[in-house]
Amino acid sequence: DAGVIQSPRHEVTEMGQEVTLRCKPISGHNSLFWYRQTMMRGLELLIYFNNNVPIDDSGMPEDRFSAKMPNASFSTLKIQPSEPRDSAVYFCASRWTRRQETQYFGPGTRLLVL
Amino acid sequence: SQQGEEDPQALSIQEGENATMNCSYKTSINNLQWYRQNSGRGLVHLILIRSNEREKHSGRLRVTLDTSKKSSSLLITASRAADTASYFCATAPTSGSRLTFGEGTQLTVNP
Repeated sequence: DAGVIQSPRHEVTEMGQEVTLRCKPISGHNSLFWYRQTMMRGLELLIYFNNNVPIDDSGMPEDRFSAKMPNASFSTLKIQPSEPRDSAVYFCASRWTRRQETQYFGPGTRLLVL
Repeated sequence: SQQGEEDPQALSIQEGENATMNCSYKTSINNLQWYRQNSGRGLVHLILIRSNEREKHSGRLRVTLDTSKKSSSLLITASRAADTASYFCATAPTSGSRLTFGEGTQLTVNP
């Protein structure tokens, strides 16, 4: 298995631009999580999905952030418009809810908003 | 303060020594997990201990859990330079799927 795949791995953009981060979970996993990691705030859960349905989006910072999971093998996290304070590493993780409690993380997307 | 706080924030040891990291949390949990993160990489799951367990081993890793004190420790024995990484504890609530991660301990193992 290729593991959780994220793209792009690095993104540099200017303030005000739209940013779309992509994630492909491990095949067969039915839960997907989006995290943000910064030095100041550590690792924060933004949103998670079970069976493609958003369950808890209380960690989404504001309306500029949105996440979708149109099918079991793909999810996006969109920031529009982006701001410098959104600069962070964004991780996607997945798991199979019924059989395991551990989460498998992707390599992350390093986002820099200038 | 944050659920899942690690102590110390940073630890530097020599190869072959043991490394002990601690984690404290505030609310009731279903299980507690430890993850490792190498620089510039995603987190990798190391070990999970359930609330009804007190100790668990996996290779050179030993985890303890004291639910009365709401604390856990991760011991890495006979450390290697390759163990250099950040180590995070994460707590799973009694209901729901979200994990809450601590701030991590940066471990440096000097060859």
